[in-house]
Amino acid sequence: KAGVTQTPRYLIKTRGQQVTLSCSPISGHRSVSWYQQTPGQGLQFLFEYFSETQRNKGNFPGRFSGRQFSNSRSEMNVSTLELGDSALYLCASTPGHLNTEAFFGQGTRLTVV
Amino acid sequence: DQQVKQNSPSLSVQEGRISILNCDYTNSMFDYFLWYKKYPAEGPTFLISISSIKDKNEDGRFTVFLNKSAKHLSLHIVPSQPGDSAVYFCAAHHFGNEKLTFGTGTRLTIIP
Repeated sequence: KAGVTQTPRYLIKTRGQQVTLSCSPISGHRSVSWYQQTPGQGLQFLFEYFSETQRNKGNFPGRFSGRQFSNSRSEMNVSTLELGDSALYLCASTPGHLNTEAFFGQGTRLTVV
Repeated sequence: DQQVKQNSPSLSVQEGRISILNCDYTNSMFDYFLWYKKYPAEGPTFLISISSIKDKNEDGRFTVFLNKSAKHLSLHIVPSQPGDSAVYFCAAHHFGNEKLTFGTGTRLTIIP
C-alpha cells in the first residue's frame, strides 16, 4: 500500500508570491489534514477535509486555503507569502476519524525569501 | 492558547535506561491521546495511543499512562535504545469535532 505522498518536497518562493502544495492520501482514506511545523511551535493545525468538504479549520489567516478532490487528493494554497510562512507543511490521512492512527507524508519544506 | 503542552523541549537519557516524556492538556473534551515520533526530514509516525477511558496502554517497550484528574499523560520507553532518538509529539483528539491538537514536541536523545 503506497503511503502519503506530498509534492514538491522542497520549495523556495519570494515574498508576495503564492504557492500550491499537493497531498495524495493513502488509497481508501477519505480524510486529509494539513499542519504547519515551525521550530518551537510544534504542529499547528491548518484544516481538515473529509469527502471534499472542509470539516475543520485552525486559526490561520485567510491566505491559507485548501481543497479536496473526488479522489481524496488535497491541495493547499498560500497566497501573498510572508517570511513567517517558511515552515514544513505536513499532510496526514486517515480513513475518516482522527482518533485513529494518522499517516503522515514526508512534508513540503517551504522557504520564503 | 496551547491546549496540549509538552514542557520539556529536550531530554537526554542513557541507553538502556527508562525515558519518560510528559504531556499536559487543558481541554476536558479530549477523548483520545496519541504519541507520534518524528525523525528529521520525515513525517511523524504513529507510536501508541490511549483512550480516555483507560489509564494505561502498553506496546512492547512503549507504555502510555493517562491521569485524567491531573490532565496529564506520559510515555515511558524502556529500555531506551539509540534508535529512539527523535522528536516526540503528543496529540489529543477532540470528541465531536474530529480535531487533533499537537503539543510542541520533546527532542529525546539517547546517549550510548
